[in-house]
Amino acid sequence: DAGITQSPRHKVTETGTPVTLRCHQTENHRYMYWYRQDPGHGLRLIHYSYGVKDTDKGEVSDGYSVSRSKTEDFLLTLESATSSQTSVYFCAHREGEIGELFFGEGSRLTVL
Amino acid sequence: KNQVEQSPQSLIILEGKNCTLQCNYTVSPFSNLRWYKQDTGRGPVSLTIMTFSENTKSNGRYTATLDADTKQSSLHITASQLSDSASYICVVRAKSSGDKLTFGTGTRLAVRP
Repeated sequence: DAGITQSPRHKVTETGTPVTLRCHQTENHRYMYWYRQDPGHGLRLIHYSYGVKDTDKGEVSDGYSVSRSKTEDFLLTLESATSSQTSVYFCAHREGEIGELFFGEGSRLTVL
Repeated sequence: KNQVEQSPQSLIILEGKNCTLQCNYTVSPFSNLRWYKQDTGRGPVSLTIMTFSENTKSNGRYTATLDADTKQSSLHITASQLSDSASYICVVRAKSSGDKLTFGTGTRLAVRP
């Protein structure tokens, strides 16, 4: 158990609608990450956070924003969802000097 | 460009048999290499993390090897079980890369009874 809860686990939405995915942790981890996973691609980093209100972009950040107003919650927002954002989204936190990652169970998003 | 290539893409073996998965990388300068197991519909779970100085590391029936000179790693699974059916993902971190990891696309393993 990675100590991370993602919600919703499944969502179907229409193009142009806003979507927010939530990542909740109860273990006071400082570093948190949002990845997307698509067939034929390795996991790709969208955004990450290194503390409350401290966030930075990853390699595929266009069309996404994040917020971290408190340690336990890291939110990923799609302001206007597109079909190309249909994917499985994983939240993760980092532990230890070597930076081992622990992933949540994923949120499957379908944009019609 | 940093890349991680895994082979084979998919593999079917019989229960009880051994198998070896391969990972080649071009990430430089190298910091560490990880193997993750991802069951269908679940998040990846760490199996091993290897640094430059480690060339073999075991976790139960899983043994990872690392050759930093040739930039290759392998994951050997001994006496496979049905529960080993999953995707296995190789991930490499470069020094001074901050929080950016390079992920392979994974090898999908199916263990048949």
